Parts: sequence; C-alpha cells; structure tokens
Amino acid sequence: GESVGLHLPTLSVQEGDNSIINCAYSNSASDYFIWYKQESGKGPQFIIDIRSNMDKRQGQRVTVLLNKTVKHLSLQIAATQPGDSAVYFCAENTEYGNKLVFGAGTILRVKS
Amino acid sequence: ETGVTQTPRHLVMGMTNKKSLKCEQHLGHNAMYWYKQSAKKPLELMFVYNFKEQTENNSVPSRFSPECPNSSHLFLHLHTLQPEDSALYLCASSQVGVAGLTGELFFGEGSRLTVL
Repeated sequence: GESVGLHLPTLSVQEGDNSIINCAYSNSASDYFIWYKQESGKGPQFIIDIRSNMDKRQGQRVTVLLNKTVKHLSLQIAATQPGDSAVYFCAENTEYGNKLVFGAGTILRVKS
Repeated sequence: ETGVTQTPRHLVMGMTNKKSLKCEQHLGHNAMYWYKQSAKKPLELMFVYNFKEQTENNSVPSRFSPECPNSSHLFLHLHTLQPEDSALYLCASSQVGVAGLTGELFFGEGSRLTVL
C-alpha cells in the first residue's frame, strides 16, 4: 500500500546553518512529490515540488532532491532562519491520482 | 491568503450536537478535499470530490457526512461525534487533469474541533 515516512521527528539547527529534512516513500508508483511547511495555527503551505522525471529542483533557498532508486526525498534549506521554524511534511501522488498521501512530519527548530 | 477559506476556525460541540464545517475555494479548482490532522499523526485523507462527485471515502465513519454542492464549496456535517474526533480539519483544493494532479493542493487554515 502507499506510505510516506520521515526519518527524524525533530531537527534543531543553528541560525545561518543549512538544514536537511529527509523522507522515505514506499510506493514506487508515486511520480509527484511535494514539500509543505506548517506553522503553528496555520494550514500547510506549499514549498516546492518535483516530478519523477527530475532528480533535483531548486527554489529560493530551498532544494528538493529525489532518489528514485532508494525511494528517498530530501528538502535542503540554505541559511536557515528563525522564520523557517515549523513542521515540514513530504507528500506523494501517484500517476493519474488525484490525492496526496502525507508523511508524519519533521519539526524544524532554529536556534538564534 | 491561500484562496481557500474555512469557517468556523474554532468549534466546540457536545457529542449530541449537529454542526457543520464550511470550506470555499476562490481558485477555480475542480477538486476539493477534507483532511483530518490529529496530534502525533500524519494528515489523514477523509474525502475527495472531483467535479462535485465524491471519488474517495477513506473509511470515514458515517457520523462525518460531506457535501459538495458545487466545485467551489465543500461542507463537512458532523453528528454524534466522539471526543477522539477532536482534531484540526483541513480543507484543500487542487486542479486535476486527465493524468492526475496538475499541481499542489492549496490548504485552508483549518477548523479546530473540540468534542466534549
């Protein structure tokens, strides 16, 4: 069946350092992946997405890497800021699918 | 502002009450979703509507009854809930094409439900 999981429930980083949040997925049929950020009291916000025909995609201060061989997804945040403190979720979608399956989430804490 | 508006933001109800959660999207999307977010659990998909038709019911108890009168509005009717149903209920919308999702889901801020 479908499942998305995260390796680390909590990640603490120093302000200015780079952060890496990891995600493992088990459904080899998944072909679209999204990272969301959720701040306290808010709904999940889109950060970046990637389709399975790519292995890397960059945004502003964020990079998503996809390794289909080992079914692994990661989110890299450069020069982490206090405003990056939140829960981060990976989510996956299968070809022809109309829904997202979410992972458990990783808490990112940024220390000033 | 994500273009998805949920009301009420907070709701407290007794187990015998009947209440409804409302969601409206202003993005012109053709699919809408209800997700449940409990503490220490991933977001759980409850229902999916595509062009007003329910395409998924993820084994949700019948005390939760969705309604989608048009592509812009989605309701979740609540009746005889249990305390364990207390959670954040998130609505989302997206655009679905012939090959599936064309982009991300846009989420509302959620309705925080407490069942006493």
